[in-house]
Amino acid sequence: ILNVEQSPQSLHVQEGDSTNFTCSFPSSNFYALHWYRWETAKSPEALFVMTLNGDEKKKGRISATLNTKEGYSYLYIKGSQPEDSATYLCAFSDYKLSFGAGTTVTVRA
Amino acid sequence: SAVISQKPSRDICQRGTSLTIQCQVDSQVTMMFWYRQQPGQSLTLIATANQGSEATYESGFVIDKFPISRPNLTFSTLTVSNMSPEDSSIYLCSQTGGHSNEQFFGPGTRLTVL
Repeated sequence: ILNVEQSPQSLHVQEGDSTNFTCSFPSSNFYALHWYRWETAKSPEALFVMTLNGDEKKKGRISATLNTKEGYSYLYIKGSQPEDSATYLCAFSDYKLSFGAGTTVTVRA
Repeated sequence: SAVISQKPSRDICQRGTSLTIQCQVDSQVTMMFWYRQQPGQSLTLIATANQGSEATYESGFVIDKFPISRPNLTFSTLTVSNMSPEDSSIYLCSQTGGHSNEQFFGPGTRLTVL
């Protein structure tokens, strides 16, 4: 079982503030790093698939960076809105996906 | 993307009983996947449901506890047998799409075992 860790487990953000959180993963046998957003009662939604060291991806106000040599990825939310409230999962991919436990973000209006 | 539905969306069950969860996908796929997330834990792969052959189970999961059916290329069921409170979890089915092993998930089945 691969050790994929996410920190913090949860966080509260004031509307309009920016925030970020981390995913750490094994640096060997790297294939891809996935980020998903999981809103309550909905399906987890793929945000990013990152494969190259130094990758930076952006989708609206959400962006992610990847460091495969040291085994971590950051997810950033700029100008948080209530609709950003969700659990954000990262997953390390070698031949299958190994997920972290997620970071639950609550944006307060 | 993919459209994946699951039934039931939630259930509360008594210990010792069994529950069958259904998953329907909108396109024909060879492999479908079953995951669970216990409270506070990671999303964990239970098994891969292969059409035309036996399911492949991950370490720690066995067919007697989690029998899987895969009668065609768009449908699968997962049964949680002889349930105990430790089986209280969210159960998700998924299929692979896009690139780099990206997964598309159903909305999940929230199971509570009393």
